[in-house]
Amino acid sequence: GAVVSQHPSWVICKSGTSVKIECRSLDFQATTMFWYRQFPKQSLMLMATSNEGSKATYEQGVEKDKFLINHASLTLSTLTVTSAHPEDSSFYICSARGGLYSYEQYFGPGTRLTVT
Amino acid sequence: DAKTTQPNSMESNEEEPVHLPCNHSTISGTDYIHWYRQLPSQGPEYVIHGLTSNVNNRMASLAIAEDRKSSTLILHRATLRDAAVYYCILRASGNTPLVFGKGTRLSVIA
Repeated sequence: GAVVSQHPSWVICKSGTSVKIECRSLDFQATTMFWYRQFPKQSLMLMATSNEGSKATYEQGVEKDKFLINHASLTLSTLTVTSAHPEDSSFYICSARGGLYSYEQYFGPGTRLTVT
Repeated sequence: DAKTTQPNSMESNEEEPVHLPCNHSTISGTDYIHWYRQLPSQGPEYVIHGLTSNVNNRMASLAIAEDRKSSTLILHRATLRDAAVYYCILRASGNTPLVFGKGTRLSVIA
């Protein structure tokens, strides 16, 4: 099956710094990538959708200047959390769509962000 | 996308079948029924999906009611590794992202 990787798997950063999370589709070309956020004991919340080479579309309530998404190639998308604060601590999960079964979404293993 | 209703939690004994229900009374004719599961501290993984007919794969079976207003995910023999949150999701087309509800937390007892 299609594999999506994320790096890093966990990160701790100080308040006010920026953190970049990478999402890669390893064996297929991802025409569309999605970023989700999940707080403890809660469900996944869609943050944004990005198509390769285009600007990301953010869901209502998600600050696009705070969560910068770049989808520069068919195998890589990045999420940068700028000026992170403790309330941004969460589990960030990317998902990619493309390949043989283009309707299916494949998920990465997630990145645990802790802001101190 | 139409909403789904699932029980918050369910419990099963190991090696017994598990039937996870999902109600979707406002489903439209073009909505596919998807099931994903999320193991602790991991991203979701695809389980199965269907439109009208019952579906089987190596992981599970999906039974869809004739009126499509409900469906049931069937794990034929639950193992400890099946303990996860199971999400039932309706999606109108392949171009829309998956939107997750609260899901059902399945506990498997040895």
